[in-house]
Amino acid sequence: LAKTTQPISMDSYEGQEVNITCSHNNIATNDYITWYQQFPSQGPRFIIQGYKTKVTNEVASLFIPADRKSSTLSLPRVSLSDTAVYYCLVGDPSGSGSARQLTFGSGTQLTVLP
Amino acid sequence: GAVVSQHPSRVICKSGTSVKIECRSLDFQATTMFWYRQFPKQSLMLMATSNEGSKATYEQGVEKDKFLINHASLTLSTLTVTSAHPEDSSFYICSARDHGGRGTGELFFGEGSRLTVL
Repeated sequence: LAKTTQPISMDSYEGQEVNITCSHNNIATNDYITWYQQFPSQGPRFIIQGYKTKVTNEVASLFIPADRKSSTLSLPRVSLSDTAVYYCLVGDPSGSGSARQLTFGSGTQLTVLP
Repeated sequence: GAVVSQHPSRVICKSGTSVKIECRSLDFQATTMFWYRQFPKQSLMLMATSNEGSKATYEQGVEKDKFLINHASLTLSTLTVTSAHPEDSSFYICSARDHGGRGTGELFFGEGSRLTVL
């Protein structure tokens, strides 16, 4: 199974930009990188997905280098409400249930301080 | 975006009873749904893949007779925890993938169901 490695925790202050990096050395050609956010006692929520280079949406940016062995989720100007666990998943989104995209790593607990 | 809904959000039961949790895809059809379990301060662990019209596929170490999964329609999957015991107390989360024209294949998750077995 594709393995992802993230920092266990990160602290930041309100208004700062936060970058969370995920390592995925075994990424396959058809794999995409997807990031999720989870608040306590809630299901994960989709943040962003990408294949290569840079993807940006209204809440985050995703940077993927040419070798695709890592990715960085960038959250601009975080607020207290961004305190959550962030997970990166790697896999083929068109797969018929491949467990590779369904395996969550340990995630990164982001704590935003006032 | 696509919506996946779970019910109930919380359930408390006595040891030895069975509990059913429903997972519905509200605005798309899901031939495949996934069930996860999450213990406090831990990551999500995939339990099984629910396949519409066929048997579920269970991950290693998950008892299929303990966790019964039924996927009778394209919008509904159910997880039944049979003869629940306190060690089954956990947060159960379902998800589904939207393969429709507008979807990029990302997983959409339900709100989760907190099971407490006394």
